[in-house]
Amino acid sequence: DTEVTQTPKHLVMGMTNKKSLKCEQHMGHRAMYWYKQKAKKPPELMFVYSYEKLSINESVPSRFSPECPNSSLLNLHLHALQPEDSALYLCASSQAGTGKEKLFFGSGTQLSVL
Amino acid sequence: KQEVTQIPAALSVPEGENLVLNCSFTDSAIYNLQWFRQDPGKGLTSLLLIQSSQREQTSGRLNASLDKSSGRSTLYIAASQPGDSATYLCASNTGGFKTIFGAGTRLFVKA
Repeated sequence: DTEVTQTPKHLVMGMTNKKSLKCEQHMGHRAMYWYKQKAKKPPELMFVYSYEKLSINESVPSRFSPECPNSSLLNLHLHALQPEDSALYLCASSQAGTGKEKLFFGSGTQLSVL
Repeated sequence: KQEVTQIPAALSVPEGENLVLNCSFTDSAIYNLQWFRQDPGKGLTSLLLIQSSQREQTSGRLNASLDKSSGRSTLYIAASQPGDSATYLCASNTGGFKTIFGAGTRLFVKA
């Protein structure tokens, strides 16, 4: 299994809603990432978990809250988002947790905030 | 701070043509460079990863080269097909978890 699975594929939410994005991998990878990508722009790193501990938070607003329940799962909890947060949210993983390995991406969650 | 640039931003070619996509980076102290393909609204599919000690990698009709001294990488696609139409992104890693992506080249292969 060489897949990173993200759910849901599409999400529409209001600015007062609370929702969660989920990501799962069964490749035994020890680093997991959240990226945000706006249309026709490169992905931008948001968070990195290495061995289930938060290693990087790229000054992301607190309305985004990551969680890594175990080595296979990564969640992104969303609350009180703004319309400018509408984007494609990508989960990725890499093997050894050093950050220097091949990145494997999921198919993304297309988020629209109304 | 690493900056990654991809030229051209968009490219349209007839089916069967061989083509080269370019990627340049400002910091030559990279650990690796990775090429990805992205279809509209979808995730990134890894195509090739070149470690800093390597000069090139090949997979099927794809060949990627790396010249650290000049800060350049190229992705060569042989005998292009309409199914190759997508955005191609390069990304460099200079250590730790920070992989910096280029803005991509949007490729359209005409049947």
